[in-house]
Amino acid sequence: NAGVIQTPRHKVTGKGQEATLWCEPISGHSAVFWYRQTIVQGLEFLTYFRNQAPIDDSGMPKERFSAQMPNQSHSTLKIQSTQPQDSAVYLCASSRQGTNSDYTFGSGTRLLVI
Amino acid sequence: GDQVEQSPSALSLHEGTGSALRCNFTTTMRAVQWFQQNSRGSLINLFYLASGTKENGRLKSTFNSKESYSTLHIRDAQLEDSGTYFCAAEGGGYQNFYFGKGTSLTVIP
Repeated sequence: NAGVIQTPRHKVTGKGQEATLWCEPISGHSAVFWYRQTIVQGLEFLTYFRNQAPIDDSGMPKERFSAQMPNQSHSTLKIQSTQPQDSAVYLCASSRQGTNSDYTFGSGTRLLVI
Repeated sequence: GDQVEQSPSALSLHEGTGSALRCNFTTTMRAVQWFQQNSRGSLINLFYLASGTKENGRLKSTFNSKESYSTLHIRDAQLEDSGTYFCAAEGGGYQNFYFGKGTSLTVIP
């Protein structure tokens, strides 16, 4: 069990460019969650998929951010026209459907927008 | 407003001592999870409770859904316990968590 795998670990992007972050959940986990963590805001929930379907995206900024889960083995978070305030650690977590008892976070992607 | 209020925000302990961290919930939650975020930034799952008390080594956690709080007790603190501790509560119809703002724990030699 390799755990939740997030790639890349670090990403530096120029203002206005696009950034795509990848998450591979634990095999058998059908719930996938995205969070953003900064010093100022702490851990912020972004969005959540269950069986690849978007369930709750209430935390996603309305513009420039989108998330997809095209198959059960990976999810992507895309940020268009990145801005310096998007700099954060983006965390992905997965869990089995219906229970969070084995909720597992990935190591995160540290995004820096310069 | 915040649904999970975590306290204290920061805590220093000498090695070998102990203390308790607390989360209060502003609404009924059906489960709580405690995580430790270590110096590398990894979030480690400590406990998941739907009720009652769980213990693992020097850590013990309690969840009282009726009174809307959870606690994490640390005893005989060690240097490797340093980090930020988050509680996260599960409520509503979805599986996603509401996170507290964390307690930054520093264990002093």
